[in-house]
Amino acid sequence: EAGVVQSPRYKIIEKKQPVAFWCNPISGHNTLYWYRQNLGQGPELLIRYENEEAVDDSQLPKDRFSAERLKGVDSTLKIQPAELGDSAVYLCASSLRSGQRRTEQYFGPGTRLTVT
Amino acid sequence: GENVEQHPSTLSVQEGDSAVIKCTYSDSASNYFPWYKQELGKRPQLIIDIRSNVGEKKDQRIAVTLNKTAKHFSLHITETQPEDSAVYFCAAMAGSGNTGKLIFGQGTTLQVKP
Repeated sequence: EAGVVQSPRYKIIEKKQPVAFWCNPISGHNTLYWYRQNLGQGPELLIRYENEEAVDDSQLPKDRFSAERLKGVDSTLKIQPAELGDSAVYLCASSLRSGQRRTEQYFGPGTRLTVT
Repeated sequence: GENVEQHPSTLSVQEGDSAVIKCTYSDSASNYFPWYKQELGKRPQLIIDIRSNVGEKKDQRIAVTLNKTAKHFSLHITETQPEDSAVYFCAAMAGSGNTGKLIFGQGTTLQVKP
């Protein structure tokens, strides 16, 4: 079974530039998560999708961050414009929810963003 | 808001010794507590988890204990090996039911010396 796929793995941009990250979850997983992990910290949830619906985006800085999950499979996270403080690893994860049961969250390898 | 505190931030043990990492959480409705291992530059991987209807769970050299009254849970690794060296994160699922929202601790860097 293929794991969660993310691209690109690394991205270096200048501040004020836009950037986009892509995630392909494990086949069949209906829940998708985007996390941000700052250096030396645990992951922090940015947004959670159940199928194509964003059910929790309370931690997403909506002035510059946006996300979409068209067709309830792949997802894209965008930052525009990027700031120096956005430098972090952006992790995508997925899980399968069936009724009240939910599998563990499987993480992708992440995209390491450096804003200069 | 929801919060998870993790201690210690770094832990160094000799190969063969035991390692214990402790976490406390603030949301009394939390009912699912996973532990993830993250090697340098790699993705977090689940190593063990526990639900609130269980007080202890063991998988070979790894065990987790949960005290819901104290809102405290711990990871125990016995007979540590150099390949156990990594950053370990605890997490608690926010809210009751099955929200899917994990709140992570700050991480513990475990070093196992050969």
